[in-house]
Amino acid sequence: EVQLLQSGAEMKKSGESLQISCRASGYTFTSYWIGWVRQVPGKGLQWMGVIWPGDSNTRYSPSFQGRVTISADNSISTVYLQWSSLKASDTAMYFCSRLRGSYGSDDFDIWGQGTLVTVSS
Amino acid sequence: SYVLTQPPSVSVAPGKTATITCGGNNIGSKSVHWYQQKPGQAPILVIFDDSDRPSGIPERFSGSNSGTTATLIISRVEAGDEADYYCQVWDSSSDHDVVFGGGTKVTVL
Repeated sequence: EVQLLQSGAEMKKSGESLQISCRASGYTFTSYWIGWVRQVPGKGLQWMGVIWPGDSNTRYSPSFQGRVTISADNSISTVYLQWSSLKASDTAMYFCSRLRGSYGSDDFDIWGQGTLVTVSS
Repeated sequence: SYVLTQPPSVSVAPGKTATITCGGNNIGSKSVHWYQQKPGQAPILVIFDDSDRPSGIPERFSGSNSGTTATLIISRVEAGDEADYYCQVWDSSSDHDVVFGGGTKVTVL
């Protein structure tokens, strides 16, 4: 079964660093883009960026460029989303998702269960 | 940047048809994908490439796309269809960014 399993909920303070993870299973990890999507409580979906684990080629939404880092560890089929200095406005649910096919045209067919990040000031 | 416009809410009686629109400049030239998100859950893909259904999605879900509007249609609506629905495209004008619509809350009366 194809699955994306995300790390558990986090509670942090402003200024702290954080890394959350998304472990893939059931398919060839290096052959699909994986992306991150943010959802602020009560709001819609915001695309943050994607990574091609095969060569760590990474694309970011302009809204998140420079604010987060997406990386991958192929040895454990895991993608990461990292902040160096959290803000209260980073409080949200974060989903990882697999891009079914081509970058630039296709859909996200598999989603992780979400990781809730709460940042207090 | 490319903008997708969805109505905030749609209400429909059980057994009737729900129509959810997604407006965008020349959206008919793009592939549109639709996601369903129930409270407290991750989104799931219900329509891809304008009108294709992933395996496991009921035939009651269908989609179309032309001109400036893409449409998700849910026929014979059931209580379990109550959810938020999001359309998604790629914005080829800006280094191929992913764009989501604002979402439509479907309420089953």
